Amino acid sequence: EVQLVESGGGLIQPGGSLRLSCAASGFIFSSYSMNWVRQAPGKGLEWISYISSSSGTIYYADSVKGRFTISRDNAKNSLYLQMNSLRDEDTAVYYCARELVRYCSSGSCSFFDSWGQGTLVTVSS
Amino acid sequence: DIQLTQSPSFLSASVGDRVTITCRASQGISTYLAWYQQKPGKAPKLLIYAASTLQSGVPSRFSGSGSGTEFTLTISTLQPEDFASYYCQQLNDYPRTFGQGTKVEIK
Repeated sequence: EVQLVESGGGLIQPGGSLRLSCAASGFIFSSYSMNWVRQAPGKGLEWISYISSSSGTIYYADSVKGRFTISRDNAKNSLYLQMNSLRDEDTAVYYCARELVRYCSSGSCSFFDSWGQGTLVTVSS
Repeated sequence: DIQLTQSPSFLSASVGDRVTITCRASQGISTYLAWYQQKPGKAPKLLIYAASTLQSGVPSRFSGSGSGTEFTLTISTLQPEDFASYYCQQLNDYPRTFGQGTKVEIK
């Protein structure tokens, strides 16, 4: 069974730093791209970062570019999100999500098939 | 960035109703679209990918259609467990944007 378990959330002051972790099990972690998605209280989903299976390709949303760093350790089956210069608007539940790629009629298509339970980050003084 | 606009944002329906949610993309995304269901306090759950392919284990009352810029998610016969929020997501390009969500509530 695929399992993704986030940890590392908590209360942090504006300007502070936090590192989130996502522990993966039940699948060959090194074969899959991974993502971080967040959800502010009462709001919708916001994709924030992607990392390919080998860490060779990384993308960020503009809202976190330059402040957040995604990384992974395939030997430890773990995904990370280093968050620096945190702002009030970064308050959210942070989810890690596995990206699956399948062959579809329009070519290869991808989607987020497995999600962790989320970890809450609260940025407040 | 590709913007996704869902309509309606809020929907009140009864058990047994047929429900349709629309997702419009600001530019063509072929069929690179997924739909997710989210219940309060829970992680999103994949329902449909590639615009119309039902994820394994998802009830057949859920269906998706569309290509290019207009997509729909249909629930043929609404069940009590379907009251939730629904999100579309484009996977044509980065950033991987989501629609703003549609909350389906009990009438």
